[in-house]
Amino acid sequence: DAKTTQPPSMDCAEGRAANLPCNHSTISGNEYVYWYRQIHSQGPQYIIHGLKNNETNEMASLIITEDRKSSTLILPHATLRDTAVYYCIVRDLQGAQKLVFGQGTRLTINP
Amino acid sequence: DTAVSQTPKYLVTQMGNDKSIKCEQNLGHDTMYWYKQDSKKFLKIMFSYNNKELIINETVPNRFSPKSPDKAHLNLHINSLELGDSAVYFCASRTGGGHEQYFGPGTRLTVT
Repeated sequence: DAKTTQPPSMDCAEGRAANLPCNHSTISGNEYVYWYRQIHSQGPQYIIHGLKNNETNEMASLIITEDRKSSTLILPHATLRDTAVYYCIVRDLQGAQKLVFGQGTRLTINP
Repeated sequence: DTAVSQTPKYLVTQMGNDKSIKCEQNLGHDTMYWYKQDSKKFLKIMFSYNNKELIINETVPNRFSPKSPDKAHLNLHINSLELGDSAVYFCASRTGGGHEQYFGPGTRLTVT
């Protein structure tokens, strides 16, 4: 079962920052936070991951609270192509590292 | 070049038939996965292989049999297909110690 909670849907205006929250209050010390997204009819796509510190790459930024019980994925300048279902996943690096997907957040970018 | 490829992209077949889906990755990864996404869009892990060895086998009917002839390939054979097997099947791969899983484009299986 997924160990994260996300809002089922969100809207954001094109060009604005999209902030997607995720609650993972039961996260353990060795578990990472991962974000993937699935654009309609495509395979899931990795976005970013983090353990404790905030992370940034060419796609997004990940802000993790100090207690690690929640995080926020930030798409700084959302475009129409960012419309997708975004999944927040927590897991450690042990074993086969299967991904356990929840329902995710359906993000719609509006023109 | 496609990193993770699947064939076929679409598969329509009748109940009771046997079919196979193929997956290939050219990333040099040593771990591969099969995920199933049902009509309600839930994505669930089915199997995982590491260096041709089965390491994850979730609660999947034994009509499903994965086979990994080498590290770059992971195939999924399904016997006696049922209506409930209709779904999109995704293959994924990961390098040892790597965080990121790379997914294929999916195979949409429709059982009539």
